[in-house]
Amino acid sequence: TQLLEQSPQFLSIQEGENLTVYCNSSSVFSSLQWYRQEPGEGPVLLVTVVTGGEVKKLKRLTFQFGDARKDSSLHITAAQPGDTGLYLCAGAAENSGYALNFGKGTSLLVTP
Amino acid sequence: KAGVTQTPRYLIKTRGQQVTLSCSPISGHRSVSWYQQTPGQGLQFLFEYFSETQRNKGNFPGRFSGRQFSNSRSEMNVSTLELGDSALYLCASSGGQGETDTQYFGPGTRLTVL
Repeated sequence: TQLLEQSPQFLSIQEGENLTVYCNSSSVFSSLQWYRQEPGEGPVLLVTVVTGGEVKKLKRLTFQFGDARKDSSLHITAAQPGDTGLYLCAGAAENSGYALNFGKGTSLLVTP
Repeated sequence: KAGVTQTPRYLIKTRGQQVTLSCSPISGHRSVSWYQQTPGQGLQFLFEYFSETQRNKGNFPGRFSGRQFSNSRSEMNVSTLELGDSALYLCASSGGQGETDTQYFGPGTRLTVL
């Protein structure tokens, strides 16, 4: 059972476009993390959100945690080819310790 | 600080064999978690070790086991390999004592079962 549903699954856009990736669940998470993974490598943490309604910005990336701590979004402004990769959201359910539940990911391709 | 290292990076085995994968966490980290990544299922949690004790376990059969040593290095073992065990096996380390402690991932071991 996939606790976290990510959409879209695939996204192909041109350099300079904006995009939003969604991560939804019916479960409440104590924290939610976004990772980016490139082929042949492990996921690299982009951000952790903890508080419902929290918004964090990382250069052109904006992350939002839903008020009820069940969903999150990642918005990229003016995408660049270097943003290409697999974007994964992962949630730590309350009282689950370090067992992260991952979405299946959004594969993003940004072409020049 | 050196990152999380995993060995070997690539492995080819045949059905029925067993395999042992190794993970060295970031210096000072006491928690090591293991995940299996496949195209169909994505990343799935296998187990987590903290101070040599298994603290959390995912929903995998008993063929998957692990252990952690006193220096926090961890190994996972898969016995009686099946074709479906072909995957990227990732380990992640963290300090292990905070609810929102960041997990840092290694590059993974790509296991192919023929």
